[in-house]
Parts: sequence; C-alpha cells; structure tokens
Amino acid sequence: SQTIHQWPATLVQPVGSPLSLECTVEGTSNPNLYWYRQAAGRGLQLLFYSVGIGQISSEVPQNLSASRPQDRQFILSSKKLLLSDSGFYLCAWKTGVVTEAFFGQGTRLTVV
Amino acid sequence: AQSVSQHNHHVILSEAASLELGCNYSYGGTVNLFWYVQYPGQHLQLLLKYFSGDPLVKGIKGFEAEFIKSKFSFNLRKPSVQWSDTAEYFCAVPGDTNAGKSTFGDGTTLTVKP
Repeated sequence: SQTIHQWPATLVQPVGSPLSLECTVEGTSNPNLYWYRQAAGRGLQLLFYSVGIGQISSEVPQNLSASRPQDRQFILSSKKLLLSDSGFYLCAWKTGVVTEAFFGQGTRLTVV
Repeated sequence: AQSVSQHNHHVILSEAASLELGCNYSYGGTVNLFWYVQYPGQHLQLLLKYFSGDPLVKGIKGFEAEFIKSKFSFNLRKPSVQWSDTAEYFCAVPGDTNAGKSTFGDGTTLTVKP
C-alpha cells in the first residue's frame, strides 16, 4: 500500500537559519508531488508542485524553494528563514489529474 | 480556472444535531468534487468524492454529499453528528491539467459539543 512520510512533525528555527523539510512516498511510482501551507481559516495554499524528477513549479513568490532529487522524494527548503515563514506545511501526492490527494502528517514550523 | 467556496467558517453543533456544510464550485468542464476531513492531530484525508453518476455520494462515517449541477453546489451532510466528528472539513476540486493541482476551499471548522 502507498504511504507518505513527512518529517519533522514540529520544528522551531531562528530567523535567518536554513530549512529543510523532507517528504517521501512509498508504494507508487512517478507521483505528482505537492507542498501546501495551511493557515487557520484560509484553507490550503499550494506552494510548489512537481510532475517528475527535477521538475518544480512554484505557485507563489516566496522565500522558499523545492527540489525533487528522486522520484518519490520532495524537499522544501529555505536558505534564510523569515518570521513570516512560520506555518503548517503539508506534503501531498497524487497518481493522476482527477484522483484524490494523499497527505502527510504535516510539519508545524515556528520561526523565532 | 477551478475554484470552490465554503460558506461556513465555524459551525458549532450539539451531538445528534443534523449537519450541512455548504460548498459551491466554479468550473466549466467535467466536474469532480471532493470533501476532505482533518481530525485534530491527524492528517488530511478523503471523506468522499464525486466523479459522475449518482449525484448523492456516500462517504465514511455516515457522511454524504449531493452534487446539484444547477446550483453549482456539493454540500456535505450528516443526519446526526457525534462528538468525534469535531474536525476541519475542506471541499476541493482536483485540478484540470497534467499537474493535477487541487484547489481547496477555506475550510469549515466543526465543533460538536457532547
């Protein structure tokens, strides 16, 4: 069966420090991968998506970047965190266009 | 572009009350619609989905939703809620390009009082 792992679950980082959040998917090949940020009362904002290795599309201008070094690995990064980067980050995958999305447990990032 | 809107941001009910959460979509092509649920401390998961056929779809835990094309709506219902239904609920459309970028509503937080 397919599973998705996202870590860490919580993270507290100082302003200006780097960030690396990792997401891996098991049990499927060539998934579409997504990074979302969830804010209270504002739903899920799509940050990045990837349809294949090395293919990254950004949805909103921001201080973050994403990479997909392997088929089932998706990484969210920042060179220097800002206070405004605090939030709840979700990784998700899909096998097709109209299929359901499967989500990781999320990472609660607090930048202090 | 596809979009969805949810009318209720926070709903508070007592146990055994009936539930209806509103969702309206804006899309001109083939309509596929989803409801996701996020229980406290758990990951976001699929509650039910509509692709085609019977407009009344049934999901897990006694939830159902009705697709009404003339009203552009896909409201979520449950006849009698339980305390364990306390969660955040999201309506979504799955995306219409190869990227399959799902679009989510702002979410409705449901609090069920015991």
